[in-house]
Amino acid sequence: GAGVSQSPSNKVTEKGKDVELRCDPISGHTALYWYRQSLGQGLEFLIYFQGNSAPDKSGLPSDRFSAERTGGSVSTLTIQRTQQEDSAVYLCASSPAGQSLNYGYTFGSGTRLTVV
Amino acid sequence: AQSVSQHNHHVILSEAASLELGCNYSYGGTVNLFWYVQYPGQHLQLLLKYFSGDPLVKGIKGFEAEFIKSKFSFNLRKPSVQWSDTAEYFCAVNEEDYKLSFGAGTTVTVRA
Repeated sequence: GAGVSQSPSNKVTEKGKDVELRCDPISGHTALYWYRQSLGQGLEFLIYFQGNSAPDKSGLPSDRFSAERTGGSVSTLTIQRTQQEDSAVYLCASSPAGQSLNYGYTFGSGTRLTVV
Repeated sequence: AQSVSQHNHHVILSEAASLELGCNYSYGGTVNLFWYVQYPGQHLQLLLKYFSGDPLVKGIKGFEAEFIKSKFSFNLRKPSVQWSDTAEYFCAVNEEDYKLSFGAGTTVTVRA
């Protein structure tokens, strides 16, 4: 597609429920990233995909967080048993392979997650 | 791990005023540096970047940034702001070959 697409744009969920956040990167971009933006905080790195594999998942805050990518395209970030501290904007970004830093990232609009 | 500090949390200024946003990073080796901007209701966009060469980098919309290696700084400037520059600005530094570390952001409010 023309840009990075994320869905849903907003999600309100009850504490303890599971949520899935979706990212559709730019066609042909093999690198995909998830970041989290909490109120008053910078962007916190969560996970990096190159193709379908995740060579760096060091930013996932706990084992309640997981992510997968299929077909070298769409990625899903899953948060199990959500907690209030999970409330944040979850951002997805993509970049062409091997050129991540030549062009920076292209970001999606994010999913605003609110856990009540 | 990288640490990126943005000195100002919120800056309020009038149109035509000059803007300078500070950014310092912790890594002493070779770095690539970025400024991103997020306009209200929009997604993050790349404003400018520095890899090598001339330490004064010009970006879109009249913004520029200067890399001062000795000060580990990459400050963003604009000589004369407009109301449309109201946004949140993020400094970022590369970590590893693929990962960017971001500062906490500076909210800029320009009053007409």
